[in-house]
Amino acid sequence: AQSVTQPDIHITVSEGASLELRCNYSYGATPYLFWYVQSPGQGLQLLLKYFSGDTLVQGIKGFEAEFKRSQSSFNLRKPSVHWSDAAEYFCAVAASGGSYIPTFGRGTSLIVHP
Amino acid sequence: GAVVSQHPSWVICKSGTSVKIECRSLDFQATTMFWYRQFPKQSLMLMATSNEGSKATYEQGVEKDKFLINHASLTLSTLTVTSAHPEDSSFYICSAGIPGLAGREQYFGPGTRLTVT
Repeated sequence: AQSVTQPDIHITVSEGASLELRCNYSYGATPYLFWYVQSPGQGLQLLLKYFSGDTLVQGIKGFEAEFKRSQSSFNLRKPSVHWSDAAEYFCAVAASGGSYIPTFGRGTSLIVHP
Repeated sequence: GAVVSQHPSWVICKSGTSVKIECRSLDFQATTMFWYRQFPKQSLMLMATSNEGSKATYEQGVEKDKFLINHASLTLSTLTVTSAHPEDSSFYICSAGIPGLAGREQYFGPGTRLTVT
């Protein structure tokens, strides 16, 4: 079965600074990878996804993520963080040859200082 | 497109009563819907997979008699928490998959906050 690790529970950045949220996965083949954002009391919004092809994926709200097979990672990046980016971020992995149901990481809480 | 709604957005009920949560796909037909539970400051835990016209598939450890799932149409799935207790208080989120891509990409509802007093 697949699994995903988000090693950082909290990340604090200043507004305008760059951001990188870490995600490592465990799966025997090429997985399907996702990043979701959740604002307080809300559902999940898909930021971006990777199924195949170009390993650098562009998403909404200026986010991007890079799939690195050698490191089993799919880190999320943003060059300049806005205060409205403060939220919970979830990385998820789904088995490409199975039921496709994603397994979620525990989440990383992003705090943005003015 | 691909909007999923949930109703109600929040509900408070007394211990021992039952509460029903609806999940609707507004602009697409969803043969498969998923129900998740999220505790504060924690990740989403899949409770069950709901397929239209058939019985739901529950994850290990989820009481199927307590969490009744019905997927009677291609746009509606319901989760009924029966004989609710305070430990059932949680944030319940549904998602729906587009036919042919079910699970590869899920569209999430806004969630329902259940508080059992």
